[in-house]
Amino acid sequence: GQSLEQPSEVTAVEGAIVQINCTYQTSGFYGLSWYQQHDGGAPTFLSYNALDGLEETGRFSSFLSRSDSYGYLLLQELQMKDSASYFCAVRDQQAGTALIFGKGTTLSVSS
Amino acid sequence: DSGVTQTPKHLITATGQRVTLRCSPRSGDLSVYWYQQSLDQGLQFLIQYYNGEERAKGNILERFSAQQFPDLHSELNLSSLELGDSALYFCASSVVTGPNTGELFFGEGSRLTVL
Repeated sequence: GQSLEQPSEVTAVEGAIVQINCTYQTSGFYGLSWYQQHDGGAPTFLSYNALDGLEETGRFSSFLSRSDSYGYLLLQELQMKDSASYFCAVRDQQAGTALIFGKGTTLSVSS
Repeated sequence: DSGVTQTPKHLITATGQRVTLRCSPRSGDLSVYWYQQSLDQGLQFLIQYYNGEERAKGNILERFSAQQFPDLHSELNLSSLELGDSALYFCASSVVTGPNTGELFFGEGSRLTVL
């Protein structure tokens, strides 16, 4: 089976930097994805890491270490609109091309 | 707008009843995935269809079933409903089936309330 661990809540202020960690256990790991979900809305794709290292997309970056079964999402220059839930997800052999999601991290950004 | 359409957006029904949720994937996407999200829970993978065939199964209850039709739309059938089935049900689609992708396109979800 698969399991993913991420913190349940993170708080920060506008302009700050936040790192959301994710550790996973899967079989036949393919890659780690990150999704953002605003309250009750559709999850939207942020990034995908299949190889070790850092991927940068604007204010968001994602990192993967396959040897440590660990990744993180880094959010810089936080804005109020970044308040949302963030999910890490893995694609592995058992689930085919489906994604298995962690329980999510609720990020609250205050002014 | 992801291009994935789900209906109905909201549904209220009673225990013991049966409902059908519908999903139209993005144009050209052959894979459809169903997820359940209960209050304060992550997204639980239920089932995947690819071009009409069941491809992978997750934590789908025996009371639940799904199918994908020749026009690629999909339906999720939930029967003998229980209070605990109240949740947001998301459909997602993707175009490729290889291992080197991490992006699914989600619909806005169908919120089911069982009273």
